[in-house]
Amino acid sequence: DAGVIQSPRHEVTEMGQEVTLRCKPISGHNSLFWYRQTMMRGLELLIYFNNNVPIDDSGMPEDRFSAKMPNASFSTLKIQPSEPRDSAVYFCASTKGGFHSPLHFGNGTRLTVT
Amino acid sequence: KNEVEQSPQNLTAQEGEFITINCSYSVGISALHWLQQHPGGGIVSLFMLSSGKKKHGRLIATINIQEKHSSLHITASHPRDSAVYICAVRLPNSGGSNYKLTFGKGTLLTVNP
Repeated sequence: DAGVIQSPRHEVTEMGQEVTLRCKPISGHNSLFWYRQTMMRGLELLIYFNNNVPIDDSGMPEDRFSAKMPNASFSTLKIQPSEPRDSAVYFCASTKGGFHSPLHFGNGTRLTVT
Repeated sequence: KNEVEQSPQNLTAQEGEFITINCSYSVGISALHWLQQHPGGGIVSLFMLSSGKKKHGRLIATINIQEKHSSLHITASHPRDSAVYICAVRLPNSGGSNYKLTFGKGTLLTVNP
């Protein structure tokens, strides 16, 4: 089991550029989550997919952020245009679902917007 | 809104010491998670519990639902336990989301040899 795979590990970009973060959940997991972690706010849920369908995107900060899950093995989080305040570590996590299923995190993407 | 408070924010211990990290929350929950984040960033789920106590190796997690409080204990601490420990709670009936978690800010533990 390769775990949740995120790419890239690090991304440095200039303000105004489009950024795409990628996530491959664990095979067989039907729920996928995107989180953002900052020093000030800690971990925050951005969006949650169940069976590839977005269920809760109330944490997406604004229209510059969008997320897709075209199939069970791939999801993207896109920021367009990026701003310096988007600098954070973005984590993807997946689970089989169900009350007792543990959450498995990827290693995160550290985004720096200059 | 549910608030999750962890204490202490920072903790330094000597190898071998018994460690306790606390987590308090303000409203009723359906489950509580303890997560570990090592330098370099990866997050690992340590425990998920809704009542009582769980043990895994040198780690013990307890929860008191009535007092809205959980503790994470580490026995015979070791430098490799140095990490950020994060408490997260799941509200009941989270709009269909099993994992609409509210996270604490974390406790940075440093265990010196």
